[in-house]
This record gives sequence, C-alpha cells and structure tokens, in this order.
Amino acid sequence: EPEVTQTPSHQVTQMGQEVILRCVPISNHLYFYWYRQILGQKVEFLVSFYNNEISEKSEIFDDQFSVERPDGSNFTLKIRSTKLEDSAMYFCASTFRTAAYEQYFGPGTRLTVT
Amino acid sequence: DAKTTQPPSMDCAEGRAANLPCNHSTISGNEYVYWYRQIHSQGPQYIIHGLKNNETNEMASLIITEDRKSSTLILPHATLRDTAVYYCIVSLTQGGSEKLVFGKGMKLTVNP
Repeated sequence: EPEVTQTPSHQVTQMGQEVILRCVPISNHLYFYWYRQILGQKVEFLVSFYNNEISEKSEIFDDQFSVERPDGSNFTLKIRSTKLEDSAMYFCASTFRTAAYEQYFGPGTRLTVT
Repeated sequence: DAKTTQPPSMDCAEGRAANLPCNHSTISGNEYVYWYRQIHSQGPQYIIHGLKNNETNEMASLIITEDRKSSTLILPHATLRDTAVYYCIVSLTQGGSEKLVFGKGMKLTVNP
C-alpha cells in the first residue's frame, strides 16, 4: 500500500538554526499539508499546498516558515530560524482531491530545538 | 476551533464492540464527518467518513443521526491495537484546501 514518508524521523537543532523537514507524498496525490503537534497537545494545521502554491495557512505559519515542492516528488517545510517553541512533531499529509477524500499522514518528524 | 465534542476517554473490553460518540450540532449541510485515530505519537490514520448516510468499511461503521447533529463510530470487535486517540472532525472544502481541524479527541483504551 502506498504511504507518505518523512525524513528525518528525529531532528535536533539549536535555536536560531534553519531546518528543512522532508516529505514524499503518495505519487498521484495533488494536495499536500503540514501539521504539527506539540507534545501533549492537539494536532494543528500549518499549511496546505496545491498546484505549486499555498492554498491556505494558519496563524502559526508566519514568515519563518516556508514550503516547497522542488522536484515533483518531495514536499519540504523550512523553518528559517528555529525557536524553542517550534519543538514538536511535524506531520506531512497528502490527498488525491479535496471534498470527501481522506488525507494520508506520514509518520512524522520529531523536531527538538535546544 | 474544532466543531465537535467528544468525551475525553472510554474503556472497552477486547472483543466487544466499541461505540464512540461525537456531537457536531453546528454542522452545515455540505460538511462531512470524518474519523481519524492516532496511535501513540504516530501520524493520524483515516478511519471513515460520511455525509448523511451510514457508512461501513473494513475498519469501522459510522452511524450519523438523521438531523446530522451527532454520529457514532463503531469498532465491531475491538482489539488491543485499537487503543488510540480517536478524532471526530467536521470538514469543509474551502478554496481547494480541506484542512482538518483536530480537537482533543477521545482516548479509547481496549482492555484484555
């Protein structure tokens, strides 16, 4: 069964450093998402991406965040200058179409900012 | 904010049916009800979705009331591996993005 993959599984970085989280969505999917989950808290939507542009972003997704689909298979989330409060699990998701079609989530990247 | 309310937790005996309730009294006519679950810290996993009619797949059944203000997810024969946090989500397509708004969910514990 096809699945969404994410690398790395765990990333440790120092405050102020840039990180790039990588995702490979399911190959025929067209809509891509990033969510995050701070330890013990809810899963929160960050951004959605379709047709090489952002469809929607949350208040969390400020100028420090960016997304890219550089080569037609990878989907990346970049945090330019990490803060302690960016420590969380980051989940990538993809779906073939919106409106009544399930999102497939990856296993997540645990980001630890020290 | 999430548009659904769920009890915080529920226990179920292994092999028995687990009936997980959800209230979504403000659901609008074109919004779907989705159920996902999250086992430990893994990525959420889709279970089932529906609009008006009851739905069944290999994992579960979804019963939606006629007024669509509540629904019940049924796991017919719960196993220990069904222990997870279950999320009931109401979702609407908005500008091509069907973001999922997760609430706190309900922790289901299946006991041996």
